[in-house]
Amino acid sequence: DAGVIQSPRHEVTEMGQEVTLRCKPISGHNSLFWYRQTMMRGLELLIYFNNNVPIDDSGMPEDRFSAKMPNASFSTLKIQPSEPRDSAVYFCASRGQGRETQYFGPGTRLLVL
Amino acid sequence: QKEVEQNSGPLSVPEGAIASLNCTYSDRGSQSFFWYRQYSGKSPELIMSIYSNGDKEDGRFTAQLNKASQYVSLLIRDSQPSDSATYLCAVNLNQAGTALIFGKGTTLSVSS
Repeated sequence: DAGVIQSPRHEVTEMGQEVTLRCKPISGHNSLFWYRQTMMRGLELLIYFNNNVPIDDSGMPEDRFSAKMPNASFSTLKIQPSEPRDSAVYFCASRGQGRETQYFGPGTRLLVL
Repeated sequence: QKEVEQNSGPLSVPEGAIASLNCTYSDRGSQSFFWYRQYSGKSPELIMSIYSNGDKEDGRFTAQLNKASQYVSLLIRDSQPSDSATYLCAVNLNQAGTALIFGKGTTLSVSS
């Protein structure tokens, strides 16, 4: 079975540009999570969805960040405009209904110059 | 503010020794506890989960939970160099729709 799929795996962009990160959860999973990981702050939850509905976006740093889940098999995390402090690894994870275990994608390594 | 605390390490142990990783959490309502392992440049992967007080063993790994002390630990017996990684502790309130809260992780180094 395919795991969580994220794209791109690496992204280098310049400050002020728009960045879109993509995630395909494991088929049949109904919860999707976006995390950001840095050395200083560790793994931080940005937002999560249950059944395509955003449940908690309190971790989204500011209005420059937005996330959507238009259907059960696709989600995006957008940063507009991007800043150097957004440089991090962004992970998407999914979880099956009634289950506790989250499965992580390979991550997107973002570098904003 | 729900928090999960871990010593960042590095924790260095010789091959064959027991590695002990510790985690404390702030929310008494936490019901589910997890240990994830993350190799450098990779994504976290689940290695253990524990839900009730006491010990849970899986191969060389033992998770220990003490809810009264709000403390969870991971023991790795017969440590191998391949165990060298960052170990993340995570907790969940076990309510419908809640997400995991992660500690910053402890880096373990096993020397051969």
